[in-house]
Amino acid sequence: QKEVEQNSGPLSVPEGAIASLNCTYSDRGSQSFFWYRQYSGKSPELIMFIYSNGDKEDGRFTAQLNKASQYVSLLIRDSQPSDSATYLCAGHNQGAQKLVFGQGTRLTINP
Amino acid sequence: GAVVSQHPSRVICKSGTSVKIECRSLDFQATTMFWYRQFPKQSLMLMATSNEGSKATYEQGVEKDKFLINHASLTLSTLTVTSAHPEDSSFYICSARAPSSYNSPLHFGNGTRLTVT
Repeated sequence: QKEVEQNSGPLSVPEGAIASLNCTYSDRGSQSFFWYRQYSGKSPELIMFIYSNGDKEDGRFTAQLNKASQYVSLLIRDSQPSDSATYLCAGHNQGAQKLVFGQGTRLTINP
Repeated sequence: GAVVSQHPSRVICKSGTSVKIECRSLDFQATTMFWYRQFPKQSLMLMATSNEGSKATYEQGVEKDKFLINHASLTLSTLTVTSAHPEDSSFYICSARAPSSYNSPLHFGNGTRLTVT
């Protein structure tokens, strides 16, 4: 079982709709989680991070964390074609320095 | 915000030669940097953790004699791919964490696309 799992997609969402990206993790010691966006041929860029149970909102993005269910999600409201990219979920364990990445979900926003 | 600079962005080399990639933290000191590799349509794979002033920690399956890492200062880590072969062609990305806390997010360099002919 992979430590961080994502549905690889592709996930297609019409422009203006809400895109929902999901991630599960197996290490209960993981304490902080990060969502990165990666455009083709580019390096990842940080979108959001979340440490506490519940929701965290930043503009059109909302990250959700449920530690009991070991589940992290990212919602993108009012999806734009420019949101089309691969989204990477990553978890961090306090005892380890490294981030563990999921395989990424490819999102396509259709105009 | 934290900025990580990586150089070169693209390199083409012949099989059997060595290639050095530099990773610099521009506005913070990074005692630890991370080197990732990404093949087409695959996720990031951590290769090694670079520790300033000490030996790097390599992930299982990564040959330390082939991928030499040097972290001689708090702002610079280098990855040298020795005796490169076509199967080493990949996208290499370094990252560092701003030292404000252990929970700080990783910031990535722009990556180096290596093509070995």
